[in-house]
Amino acid sequence: DTEVTQTPKHLVMGMTNKKSLKCEQHMGHRAMYWYKQKAKKPPELMFVYSYEKLSINESVPSRFSPECPNSSLLNLHLHALQPEDSALYLCASSPWADPLGNQPQHFGDGTRLSIL
Amino acid sequence: QQPVQSPQAVILREGEDAVINCSSSKALYSVHWYRQKHGEAPVFLMILLKGGEQKGHDKISASFNEKKQQSSLYLTASQLSYSGTYFCGTILGNTPLVFGKGTRLSVIA
Repeated sequence: DTEVTQTPKHLVMGMTNKKSLKCEQHMGHRAMYWYKQKAKKPPELMFVYSYEKLSINESVPSRFSPECPNSSLLNLHLHALQPEDSALYLCASSPWADPLGNQPQHFGDGTRLSIL
Repeated sequence: QQPVQSPQAVILREGEDAVINCSSSKALYSVHWYRQKHGEAPVFLMILLKGGEQKGHDKISASFNEKKQQSSLYLTASQLSYSGTYFCGTILGNTPLVFGKGTRLSVIA
């Protein structure tokens, strides 16, 4: 079991649907991350939240909208997705967002998203 | 540019050793190592910080040579549980963690 919990584990949605992915951690971490991982590829960073503020957006299309309601929760709102957005979406957290990248990241098990 | 890992894949028998390399064309300040089993989350193994240190994690250890801009992960006396894909990761610009393409390790009995 991981200390970062993601729901749902699987999600199938049409291109016109609106859905949300949820991530929760109770380790007191102040940095949270969203990654996208395609099959047999490494995770790719999408967003970073530091102290509940969006600090990095890796040029992600606006059909993905992140939200950090509090220090323990991270959401990813999805709207009008494309078939190529089908992937495993991973959430991670670290004690803080170290600009030197020296903080270990703890990953959730991910949400496997399929776009019809 | 993402770090470059080698080999891409390796098959070991239980008890054999392996080395996975990670190199960068840019200066390295730190190197992360993670292992991801099929269908599971990546799991943090260790971070190597600037200073050429070597760290250990059970029978898995790593070194970091900042002059050569590379890190190596050493797996000693491999066990079936070591199977998975190993990723190294480094900071790149403002991105706190950019992963290499991964090394798929299979340990067979």
